[in-house]
Amino acid sequence: GDSVTQMEGPVTLSEEAFLTINCTYTATGYPSLFWYVQYPGEGLQLLLKATKADDKGSNKGFEATYRKETTSFHLEKGSVQVSDSAVYFCALNIAQKLVFGQGTRLTINP
Amino acid sequence: NAGVTQTPKFRVLKTGQSMTLLCAQDMNHEYMYWYRQDPGMGLRLIHYSVGEGTTAKGEVPDGYNVSRLKKQNFLLGLESAAPSQTSVYFCASTLDARRVETQYFGPGTRLLVL
Repeated sequence: GDSVTQMEGPVTLSEEAFLTINCTYTATGYPSLFWYVQYPGEGLQLLLKATKADDKGSNKGFEATYRKETTSFHLEKGSVQVSDSAVYFCALNIAQKLVFGQGTRLTINP
Repeated sequence: NAGVTQTPKFRVLKTGQSMTLLCAQDMNHEYMYWYRQDPGMGLRLIHYSVGEGTTAKGEVPDGYNVSRLKKQNFLLGLESAAPSQTSVYFCASTLDARRVETQYFGPGTRLLVL
């Protein structure tokens, strides 16, 4: 079935470090892909999206490129901040429903 | 706008007890969803509703019932709680189901079943 796999967490980085969180997917067809962020005590918020192959989604300094050939949608940021500490979820859209990865907890130390 | 609100924020139940989780939205959204979030498993869809008076099963519906008597409210019931239902429950709503990324999520209800 359709699924999303994220890199194991937790991930701990120092401020201004480069971030990559890996995400790969299995799906029939070509779903839209998303990254969501969950800050402590809050619900999920859409961070960025890409709807077709080679699309790049970007927001708040984060980027992810829809790679059809590798079925991946890795999240990157060039210089993380303490305020980026959160749980990040990769997700895809199948039949108007969201399928989520397991989430990656990110902690940024000053 | 309050957005999507969930009641209660936290609850402890004993095995076999029942409870109802309330989700309310003030955005006049047609579509509403209940998810559960478990460590290492992400969010999984329990039940959803495409409009007032309608409900449908999601990926993990067993042990739960839902009702959508009013457009703004979506209730999730546990008739006989089990430890396996210990989880964080999120409600979400959207105006357009074709654009799933427009789902607004509530802050979650943490449930512990002993």
